Amino acid sequence: KNQVEQSPQSLIILEGKNCTLQCNYTVSPFSNLRWYKQDTGRGPVSLTIMTFSENTKSNGRYTATLDADTKQSSLHITASQLSDSASYICVVSGNAGNNRKLIWGLGTSLAVNP
Amino acid sequence: EPEVTQTPSHQVTQMGQEVILRCVPISNHLYFYWYRQILGQKVEFLVSFYNNEISEKSEIFDDQFSVERPDGSNFTLKIRSTKLEDSAMYFCASRPWGTNTEAFFGQGTRLTVV
Repeated sequence: KNQVEQSPQSLIILEGKNCTLQCNYTVSPFSNLRWYKQDTGRGPVSLTIMTFSENTKSNGRYTATLDADTKQSSLHITASQLSDSASYICVVSGNAGNNRKLIWGLGTSLAVNP
Repeated sequence: EPEVTQTPSHQVTQMGQEVILRCVPISNHLYFYWYRQILGQKVEFLVSFYNNEISEKSEIFDDQFSVERPDGSNFTLKIRSTKLEDSAMYFCASRPWGTNTEAFFGQGTRLTVV
């Protein structure tokens, strides 16, 4: 069964600190892996998209890694800011033709405190 | 910056009533999606739409649901006879041509069935 599991479920850090969020998936075949940021009550916003051949990708203070062999990804946030408080969702796309269904994780709820 | 827009932002309806959720995808996008997110749960895929027809749908998308792209710009989701369990945030998304292109999400419509 295609699944995406994220850890931790929730995380509290102090402003300025770094953190790393984890994602394990069992989706096969694999097309790409995305990290989304979702503010409460809002739509998800894409942070990174990585394909099979990409090991790391950065978007500002966000750096995502991908190990396609072990089917694991991480999202590292550097020098956290209060505005980073949100849910971070790992989403994996399987190779299912032209229209790909995204398999969503439950997300990690991050709270950045002053 | 182009964005996906959804209306209304919040809809309250009585059980058994029909609702239509509206979305205006980004103009040059070719793939359109509806997702829903029940409070505290994962984002769930409902349906994908390409070339004026449904390309894939989930088990959730039963005969009570339908989608339309009536005029080349709007993309609507209709629920014929709402149930209490249809209460959720409904997200529309669109993406341009390509295998690993980014999907852009609207801000969502919060549907409350009473």
